[in-house]
Amino acid sequence: SSDLTQDPAVSVALGQTVRITCQGDSLRNYYADWHQQKPGQAPILVIYGKTNRPSGIPDRFSGSSSGNTASLTITGAQAEDEADYYCKSRDRSGNLVFGGGTKLTVL
Amino acid sequence: EVQLVESGGGLVQPGGSLRLSCAATGFTFSGYWMHWVRQAPGKGPVWISRTNNDGSSTDYADSVKGRFTISRDNAKNTLYLQMNSLRAEDTAVYYCLPEPAVAATTWGQGTLVTVSS
Repeated sequence: SSDLTQDPAVSVALGQTVRITCQGDSLRNYYADWHQQKPGQAPILVIYGKTNRPSGIPDRFSGSSSGNTASLTITGAQAEDEADYYCKSRDRSGNLVFGGGTKLTVL
Repeated sequence: EVQLVESGGGLVQPGGSLRLSCAATGFTFSGYWMHWVRQAPGKGPVWISRTNNDGSSTDYADSVKGRFTISRDNAKNTLYLQMNSLRAEDTAVYYCLPEPAVAATTWGQGTLVTVSS
């Protein structure tokens, strides 16, 4: 299957650590990227190639992967991290596959 | 600075057509596969089409196959999406993306397509 599965919603207390996961068969062969989207804005890339952070993304964001599961971890979550997070990977044909998204609430 | 600027969206009646464009700057456009992705209101992004570096290989999601055509002009650093036989369910913001994603870490603002009578 090329589907990626994410928990619809996750919450975290301010300053605590949260892990957002993404599961799918394609993740056994291809890395996941993670995209953050705030209301009314276009998404931005926060993690690519499993563990890499683009310039300007705080180092509290990190990525990891094991088997069919990719994870985005935010260590010391801030209020501004409240957003929707989408994992993205690819299939054997080079077509993109997105997870359904996780709405992160920072309490 | 890397930029993706989508344009060409608008209000169209069911059965109508639109041609979307995506102007890319700040990275070597011809070196990347390019994709069209759409996001319906309140929903997550969904992949709909891709083209390889030179446009010789394309693919489509089942939902748009036979109705949409992707193409690119590497001399103009521009990606296109010709959309025919539009349906209400095609209503969404349309984005273009390079792959690998690192080529453009910020998405463009997208172009809104509304299919309604």
